[in-house]
Amino acid sequence: EPEVTQTPSHQVTQMGQEVILRCVPISNHLYFYWYRQILGQKVEFLVSFYNNEISEKSEIFDDQFSVERPDGSNFTLKIRSTKLEDSAMYFCASSELPSSDEQFFGPGTRLTVL
Amino acid sequence: GENVEQHPSTLSVQEGDSAVIKCTYSDSASNYFPWYKQELGKGPQLIIDIRSNVGEKKDQRIAVTLNKTAKHFSLHITETQPEDSAVYFCAATDTGRRALTFGSGTRLQVQP
Repeated sequence: EPEVTQTPSHQVTQMGQEVILRCVPISNHLYFYWYRQILGQKVEFLVSFYNNEISEKSEIFDDQFSVERPDGSNFTLKIRSTKLEDSAMYFCASSELPSSDEQFFGPGTRLTVL
Repeated sequence: GENVEQHPSTLSVQEGDSAVIKCTYSDSASNYFPWYKQELGKGPQLIIDIRSNVGEKKDQRIAVTLNKTAKHFSLHITETQPEDSAVYFCAATDTGRRALTFGSGTRLQVQP
């Protein structure tokens, strides 16, 4: 069964460093998302991406964050200058079509900022 | 914006019993309500969903009900098994948007 994959599974970085989290969505899916979950808190929406542009973003997704689809398979989340409060589990998700409601999640990347 | 409240935060049942998890939402425009199961070390897995034009949906041992007037929806698991033990999340969105708003999660423990 096709699934969303994410790398790395765990990333440790120093405050102020840039990190790139990588996702490979399900191959025929066209709509992509990033969510995060701070330990003990709710899963929160960050951004959605379709047709090579951001279609929606939350107030969390400020100028420190960016997303990119650098090739036909990868979808990345970049955090330019990490803060301690960026420590969280980051989930990538994808949907088959813009008209599809179902979002399928990857296993997540645990980001730890020291 | 949308706010989703989920109860209970933890639920312990005996194997074979039923489990019910409840969520309320605030935005009357919300029209899509998925439920996710998250096992330790894994991402959320979509297990069932319901749209606002339907009051109930069932898939084997899992069912979801929706009350649009009261703005609440519930997950029902019958004949629970130890492998049902996980954290369950409800979510809501207006399909005109894409962003899911999640509840805070329910840790279900099925005792053998």
